[in-house]
Amino acid sequence: AQSVTQLGSHVSVSEGALVLLRCNYSSSVPPYLFWYVQYPNQGLQLLLKYTTGATLVKGINGFEAEFKKSETSFHLTKPSAHMSDAAEYFCAVSDRYGGSQGNLIFGKGTKLSVKP
Amino acid sequence: DSGVTQTPKHLITATGQRVTLRCSPRSGDLSVYWYQQSLDQGLQFLIQYYNGEERAKGNILERFSAQQFPDLHSELNLSSLELGDSALYFCASSVSGNNEQFFGPGTRLTVL
Repeated sequence: AQSVTQLGSHVSVSEGALVLLRCNYSSSVPPYLFWYVQYPNQGLQLLLKYTTGATLVKGINGFEAEFKKSETSFHLTKPSAHMSDAAEYFCAVSDRYGGSQGNLIFGKGTKLSVKP
Repeated sequence: DSGVTQTPKHLITATGQRVTLRCSPRSGDLSVYWYQQSLDQGLQFLIQYYNGEERAKGNILERFSAQQFPDLHSELNLSSLELGDSALYFCASSVSGNNEQFFGPGTRLTVL
């Protein structure tokens, strides 16, 4: 069965500092990988996704993530944090094939705080 | 605005009751997914429909059921409600499996 582990339920950075949110997955075959962001009292918004091809994926709002098969990781980074990045971030996986294709399995989430 | 609408936004009810949550997918999307977000369980996939047919089930309780209608809107029915059913329920839609899912704003259910 697939699973996702997000290291750190809370991460705090200063404005302008590097953002690094960690995600490791477990899957018998290479899955599709996603990062979603949830702002307070809102639904989830897709930041970026990895399906095939280039392992470094660029998303919205300056975020990017790198798929590392050998480390089963898909960490999310942003070079310089903005106050508006404060939100909860979820890593997710889904099957490439089969009946469960498309169903997202989420990590527990990481709440990002940005200090002025 | 994702284009996915959910009603109602908030729902407060009592234990033992039954409620129906409604979701309208984005225009053209055939797949609808339901997720539950709670403090202790996190975000969990409940069930998926594609063009009116059930495609996959996740951690959905037997007290819960869903359907997708010919106009592609979907309803999630929760019955014999318990305190632990209090959560945010999200609907998402996509063109088909493994395409990007667009999430609605959610329905916050409070069971007293």
